[in-house]
Amino acid sequence: DAGVTQSPTHLIKTRGQQVTLRCSPKSGHDTVSWYQQALGQGPQFIFQYYEEEERQRGNFPDRFSGHQFPNYSSELNVNALLLGDSALYLCASSFGTGVSPLHFGNGTRLTVT
Amino acid sequence: QKEVEQDPGPLSVPEGAIVSLNCTYSNSAFQYFMWYRQYSRKGPELLMYTYSSGNKEDGRFTAQVDKSSKYISLFIRDSQPSDSATYLCAMGRSGTSYGKLTFGQGTILTVHP
Repeated sequence: DAGVTQSPTHLIKTRGQQVTLRCSPKSGHDTVSWYQQALGQGPQFIFQYYEEEERQRGNFPDRFSGHQFPNYSSELNVNALLLGDSALYLCASSFGTGVSPLHFGNGTRLTVT
Repeated sequence: QKEVEQDPGPLSVPEGAIVSLNCTYSNSAFQYFMWYRQYSRKGPELLMYTYSSGNKEDGRFTAQVDKSSKYISLFIRDSQPSDSATYLCAMGRSGTSYGKLTFGQGTILTVHP
């Protein structure tokens, strides 16, 4: 039973560029949430997708956008990268939008130079 | 003031010790509480979750929630070197889905043989 998979594992981008991160949820899960984890900090909620729509959003600018596909996989896009966007980006999946435990992937380490 | 405060440690204990990890929070809207464990270069892994005040036990782990004091704890009995990791508390508000969690900054635990 495959867990949450994320790609790529590492990425180096230049300030001002755009990046797309990908996530496949755990089998049987239909909801995907994205988190940003800066070094030495806890994860911060970016947004959540369910039924191909953004359902909730954290305190992140519009440069952060996402998409969910009919097979429940998801993408996180970040435009006009800033140095401060360097972080571990975590995808978590769950079933539905109620009380269902989150299962995290191992993340994508993004470095912006 | 952050909504969730967690003592960052680091915490270093000998094998077999009892470990106490703690978080305080300021928002009384938080209704469900979780503890995650994160190994280096991995995503967070759910250890415990609870929806009410009181204690919940699972093997060597006990989660304690005191909503009146806005304080949660995780106790690890008979700690093992394999418990060495970062421990994250996380909380969710009633009326929002499980996907939107607010995390503490994490406590780094090292258990030495």
